[in-house]
Formats: sequence, structure tokens, C-alpha cells
Amino acid sequence: RKEVEQDPGPFNVPEGATVAFNCTYSNSASQSFFWYRQDCRKEPKLLMSVYSSGNEDGRFTAQLNRASQYISLLIRDSKLSDSATYLCVVNDRTSGTYKYIFGTGTRLKVLA
Amino acid sequence: NAGVTQTPKFRVLKTGQSMTLLCAQDMNHEYMYWYRQDPGMGLRLIHYSVGEGTTAKGEVPDGYNVSRLKKQNFLLGLESAAPSQTSVYFCASRRREQETQYFGPGTRLLVL
Repeated sequence: RKEVEQDPGPFNVPEGATVAFNCTYSNSASQSFFWYRQDCRKEPKLLMSVYSSGNEDGRFTAQLNRASQYISLLIRDSKLSDSATYLCVVNDRTSGTYKYIFGTGTRLKVLA
Repeated sequence: NAGVTQTPKFRVLKTGQSMTLLCAQDMNHEYMYWYRQDPGMGLRLIHYSVGEGTTAKGEVPDGYNVSRLKKQNFLLGLESAAPSQTSVYFCASRRREQETQYFGPGTRLLVL
């Protein structure tokens, strides 16, 4: 089983739609969780961290479910500019390491 | 403030040739990382550094060496390139106190 798994998509949604992605992780000791956005042929950029209580940033909401070991990203009122690949990232700090495990990404296409 | 820069942006090598990829950051970050990104694989950690003069192996270190002689620079070396090292290489850095990683624009390497 991969350490971090994502549905590769693509998710094709019309403008204005709400879309949600999930990401599962295998290490129950994982402590930090993030969503990064990567545009085609560009570098990843942090979209938002994921906190235990859930957090929101404008149209974006992130949730963490430790019991089921998954994180989610909800995008409301999708814009054309939201078209990108969304990477789930998990950091396991229990061993004192500083490694980040990246999912393969979920591709989103917002259609006019 | 340039952030994270990578040199070169694109390179073609023949099998067996050597080269060095340079990553430079002007944010005074302690931690630096080298990743490779391949289709369907996500970003995988090659080597990382938690400070000047220190380096450690990541998930896929074989065939690569690194050095961090100066805090702002992290070099990735390929001693004898192989076609399996064809990839997009990303460098990232972050502050010790924060987990946000800042990525460079990437280096596209093709090994023939």
C-alpha cells in the first residue's frame, strides 16, 4: 500500500460547482498534513495546511479524519483558475526525521 | 527577493556523463530538499539537509550525491547519468520553525 494515496482524476467540473478530493495515508503516526497546488509544468505551492479541527480559507476547506486516516479538500464555487493538480502531503515526525511524503496528485479541470 | 532558484532549467545528458544541479535560496532557510518528479510517481525525496554541512538520504538516493557547503546552496550531483534518471528535479527549502516548503521552478533532465 502506498504511504499516501490520491485518486488521480481528472475531475472535470463546471464553473461554480463544488468538488471534493480525498487523500488517504497509511502511517497512523503522521502528524502534519498539507495540500499543495501544482500547475502544469510548474513547481508545487502550498495551498493550505490541514489542522485537526478542520480549516477554511475562502472557498477552500480542509478536513482531517485521523480515525479513518484521510484528509479532504473541498473547493466551493470552482473557478477556471482552480484547474491544477492538487497534491496531498504528509509529514511523519515521530522518528525525528524531516521527510515529506507526497501523493501523486489529483487533477482538476474546471470547465467554462 | 528571488526565493528558490535552480540552475540549469533544462539539460540533456548522455549515459555516463556527470553533472551538478544547483539550488540557491535567499530566504535564510535552514532546511533544503531535493525531489524528483516522475509521471504517476509523485515527488520523491532524494536527499535533504537540515543545516550547513549536513546532509541525509531520502527515499531514492542511489546514483546521487549532495553537498551543502553554504547555507544558501544545495548541490545535487549525478556522477554517471543513467536513462532512469530522466526526470524533473525540484529543490525546496523551509524554515526550521515552519513546515511550508518553497519550491524552485525545477530542472528538466533528459538522459539519452
